[in-house]
Amino acid sequence: TQLLEQSPQFLSIQEGENLTVYCNSSSVFSSLQWYRQEPGEGPVLLVTVVTGGEVKKLKRLTFQFGDARKDSSLHITAAQPGDTGLYLCAGAGQNFNKFYFGSGTKLNVKP
Amino acid sequence: DSGVTQTPKHLITATGQRVTLRCSPRSGDLSVYWYQQSLDQGLQFLIQYYNGEERAKGNILERFSAQQFPDLHSELNLSSLELGDSALYFCASSARSTPSPGTEAFFGQGTRLTVV
Repeated sequence: TQLLEQSPQFLSIQEGENLTVYCNSSSVFSSLQWYRQEPGEGPVLLVTVVTGGEVKKLKRLTFQFGDARKDSSLHITAAQPGDTGLYLCAGAGQNFNKFYFGSGTKLNVKP
Repeated sequence: DSGVTQTPKHLITATGQRVTLRCSPRSGDLSVYWYQQSLDQGLQFLIQYYNGEERAKGNILERFSAQQFPDLHSELNLSSLELGDSALYFCASSARSTPSPGTEAFFGQGTRLTVV
C-alpha cells in the first residue's frame, strides 16, 4: 500500500493545455517535495513545500501544499513537450529523515 | 549535477550472482537512502542509513543488504540475483547534520542492473 497516492497515473495532452496532478495521503508530512524524472535518469528536485496552505510558483508550475499537510497538487500552465516526464511527490516523515514516494504521474505532452 | 555519485552506471550479470552498488552522498550529507525502481514503476524504498547506522528499512529482500562506511559512502549488496531484480537502483542523500523541516533528498543518476 502506497502511503502517498498520485493521480492520474498517466496523462497525455497537447502542447499548450493546462493540467493538474494530485498527491494525496491520510498521513501528515513535515514537508513535501515534487520531483521530475526523465527516462534513465534520477529524479530531479523541483520544489519543497513546508507550511500548510503554502503555494510556490516555478515559472509555469504552481505547487500547493494542503492546509492539513496531507496532500499537494502540481499545476502546469501551457504545457510544453519539455515538461514530459514522470512526476513524483515525496513526503518527509515526522522525523524528517524518512521519505515516502508516490507511484508517480507519467506525463506526455505532444507537440 | 546533484552531487550524489553512483557507480557503476550499468551492470549486467547472471542469475545467482552477487553485485555491489556504490553511492557517494553529497558533501556533508549524513543520510543515504536506497531505492529500487522497476520498469515503469515508482520508487520503492529499500533502506536508509544515517551517519553509519541503519535508520529505516523498507521493502528490502533478505538477499539484499547495505552499509554506510565512516566516510559516509554506502554500498548496496545484492546476492543470489534473480531476473526480477533487474531494475534501476537509486541512491539519495539528505540532512547535512541534524534533521530539520524542509529536509530535501538529492538523487544520483542510478545504477541500471540487468540480470540475465
